[in-house]
Order: sequence, then structure tokens, then C-alpha cells
Amino acid sequence: EDQVTQSPEALRLQEGESSSLNCSYTVSGLRGLFWYRQDPGKGPEFLFTLYSAGEEKEKERLKATLTKKESFLHITAPKPEDSATYLCAVQAGGSEKLVFGKGTKLTVNP
Amino acid sequence: KAGVTQTPRYLIKTRGQQVTLSCSPISGHRSVSWYQQTPGQGLQFLFEYFSETQRNKGNFPGRFSGRQFSNSRSEMNVSTLELGDSALYLCASSLEWGAGEQFFGPGTRLTVL
Repeated sequence: EDQVTQSPEALRLQEGESSSLNCSYTVSGLRGLFWYRQDPGKGPEFLFTLYSAGEEKEKERLKATLTKKESFLHITAPKPEDSATYLCAVQAGGSEKLVFGKGTKLTVNP
Repeated sequence: KAGVTQTPRYLIKTRGQQVTLSCSPISGHRSVSWYQQTPGQGLQFLFEYFSETQRNKGNFPGRFSGRQFSNSRSEMNVSTLELGDSALYLCASSLEWGAGEQFFGPGTRLTVL
């Protein structure tokens, strides 16, 4: 069964303090790994898609990387507006459904 | 371009009742997926519809059902509600079925008393 584990469950940072979120996955034939951001009271918002080990994607202060067993979401010099829950999801080859992790709740204090 | 809309936004029901939730996808998107989100289980896939056909289904009992109309709008129905059905129900649309890049609506918060 496909599984996604995200760590830590919650992370508090000071503004400007860089860190990384982890997404470990077990899947039979990775078709794609996806990062989403969810703000309170809203649905998730798509951030990145990664397809193969070694791939990297960047968007503003966020950078996502992928290995054969895990993905990292690096946050460089975060700002309070980066506070949100970050969700990781995998899609296995032969299965179209997304399997989500439980998320990492990030709080960035000014 | 308007985003995904879901109605109603909030709903309170009692055990044993049934409920219907509605989702309008982004214009031009033909696939609609439904998810249940709870603090304990996180986001769990319910089903996906494309061209009025259910293409994929998650591990939920038969009390959970859905349908899609010719204009791609979708409805989800839960019959014989249980306390454990209290959750945020999210709808997501995408251009094609099986797409990992999905656009989510704000959700319907269902409370079962």
C-alpha cells in the first residue's frame, strides 16, 4: 500500500530562519510527487510536481527536491506569509489517485 | 478565471440523515475529484469523475457516492450519516483525469450531530 509520512508535524521558525520539511514515501513505481500549501479555511494550493530522483523545482523562497525515498521542501529566509500547512502527495504508476501525507504545519514568527 | 466553487460551505446534519454536496469545476476542466479531510486521517481520496464516469475510487463505504453531469459539475452524496463523517469535504478539478496537479475548492464543512 502506498504511504506518505511527513515530518515534523509542526515547525516554528523565526522570520529569516531557513529550514526543511521532509516527505518520506513508499510507492510501487512513482509516477509523480506533489507539494501543496493549505491556508486555514481554504483548500490546498498546488506548488510543485517532481517526477524523478534528482529533480529540483523552485518558486520564490521554496525549493523542492526528490530522491528515491523522500522529498524535501526547503524554505529559505521565510516570511510570516509562508505560514501554512504544507502537504505532500504521491501518485503511483497505474493508479491515478493521490495519496497525501498528514502535512507539516509551519509557523513563521516576525 | 473563476476557481472551483463548492456549496454549501457549512452544513449541520444529524445521524441517519443524508446529505448532498455540490462542486463546480474551473471552466474547461473535465475531471473532478473528491476528498475527505479530518485532523486524524488527513486528506483521503474518495473518488474521481471524468466525462460523467467514475474513474477511480478510494476506500470508503458504499454510503459515499457521487456523480458528474455533462457540464462537468459534480455532486457527492453521503447516506445514513454517522458521527465519524464529520469532516471537511474538498473538491478538486483538473484538465484531464489522473492529473496530479489539481485545483481545490474551499471545501464544505460537514458536522454530524
